[in-house]
Amino acid sequence: TQLLEQSPQFLSIQEGENLTVYCNSSSVFSSLQWYRQEPGEGPVLLVTVVTGGEVKKLKRLTFQFGDARKDSSLHITAAQPGDTGLYLCAGAGNQFYFGTGTSLTVIP
Amino acid sequence: DSGVTQTPKHLITATGQRVTLRCSPRSGDLSVYWYQQSLDQGLQFLIQYYNGEERAKGNILERFSAQQFPDLHSELNLSSLELGDSALYFCASSVEGRQYNEQFFGPGTRLTVL
Repeated sequence: TQLLEQSPQFLSIQEGENLTVYCNSSSVFSSLQWYRQEPGEGPVLLVTVVTGGEVKKLKRLTFQFGDARKDSSLHITAAQPGDTGLYLCAGAGNQFYFGTGTSLTVIP
Repeated sequence: DSGVTQTPKHLITATGQRVTLRCSPRSGDLSVYWYQQSLDQGLQFLIQYYNGEERAKGNILERFSAQQFPDLHSELNLSSLELGDSALYFCASSVEGRQYNEQFFGPGTRLTVL
C-alpha cells in the first residue's frame, strides 16, 4: 500500500492542453515536494510546499498544498512536449515517501 | 548534472551474489539518501545518513546495508541477491538532514540480477 496515491497514473495529451495531476494521502505531511523524472535519469526537484493552502507557481506550473497538508495538486497550463516525463510527489514525515507517479506524454 | 555521482552505472550479477553500490554526494552536502525504483513498487526510500550517522530507515531489507564514510561518500551493500532485487538504485544528497531539504539525485545504478 502506497502512502501517497497519484492520479492519473498515465496521461497523454496534445500540446497546448491543460492538465492537473493529483497527489492524495490520508496522512499529514510536514512538507510536500514535486519532482520530474526523465527516462534514465534521477528525479529533479520542481517545488517544495510547506504551509497548508500554499500555492506556488513555476512558469506554466502551479502547485497547491491542501489545507490539511494531506494532498497536493500540480496544474500545467498549455503543456509542451518538454513537459513529458514522470511526475512524482513526495511527502516528508518520519521518512520520505514518494507517490505512485504520473507518466505524462505531451504530443506535438 | 546534479553533482551527485554513482558507480557503477550498470551492474549485472547472479542470484546469491553480493554487490556494492557507491555514491558521492554534492560538495558540501552532509546527508545521503538511498532509494530503490522498480516498475511495480515505484520509488522506495531505503535509508538516510547524515554526517556519518544513520538518520532514518525506510523499506530496507535485512540483506541490504549501507554506510557513510568520513569523506561523506556512501555505499549500499546488497547481499544474497534475488531476482526481485533487480531495479534502479538512486542516491540523493542534501545540505542538511531535514526532510524537506532539496534532494539532488544521482543518475542511478541499474542492477540486473539473473
